[in-house]
Amino acid sequence: KAGVTQTPRYLIKTRGQQVTLSCSPISGHRSVSWYQQTPGQGLQFLFEYFSETQRNKGNFPGRFSGRQFSNSRSEMNVSTLELGDSALYLCASSPTRPAYEQYFGPGTRLTVT
Amino acid sequence: KQEVTQIPAALSVPEGENLVLNCSFTDSAIYNLQWFRQDPGKGLTSLLLIQSSQREQTSGRLNASLDKSSGRSTLYIAASQPGDSATYLCAVCMDKAAGNKLTFGGGTRVLVKP
Repeated sequence: KAGVTQTPRYLIKTRGQQVTLSCSPISGHRSVSWYQQTPGQGLQFLFEYFSETQRNKGNFPGRFSGRQFSNSRSEMNVSTLELGDSALYLCASSPTRPAYEQYFGPGTRLTVT
Repeated sequence: KQEVTQIPAALSVPEGENLVLNCSFTDSAIYNLQWFRQDPGKGLTSLLLIQSSQREQTSGRLNASLDKSSGRSTLYIAASQPGDSATYLCAVCMDKAAGNKLTFGGGTRVLVKP
């Protein structure tokens, strides 16, 4: 079974631009969660989608948004990028909610210049 | 608000020594606790998951214990190897209403010296 895939793996953007990151969960998994990892703040929960509905949201500004499609693939969007948005963005998938276990993708490294 | 702490932030041991990694959390009403490993610049690999009703879980050289009443979990890695060098993270999932939201500790960076 293929694991969680994230595209692109690396991204460089300029302050003020917007970016869209993609996450394809393990086949059959209906829950996708997104996390931001930075050296200063560690791993922080962004949001969770299950069956195309946002079920949970972390403490991030409205510039961070996401969606989930009928095939469970998820995208997250960050508008008006700031330097502080530079981070590793990880997504995790699980078959149910709450899950027995969550499986993480390799992440997308976003650099904002 | 749940807070998860891992101390120490970094640890260096000679090969063959047993590793003891600590995780503490402030709210004992957890649904489960999961230990992950992260290699530099990579995603997370799940190591062990302990449900709130369990006291410990074992997989190979790894053993994780959970004491909800004291808000602590410990990950033991027996006979450490250089390949065990990585950052180890613990994460808690609160009750069912929290869904799949994980609250992570800051991690312990482990270096096993040959």
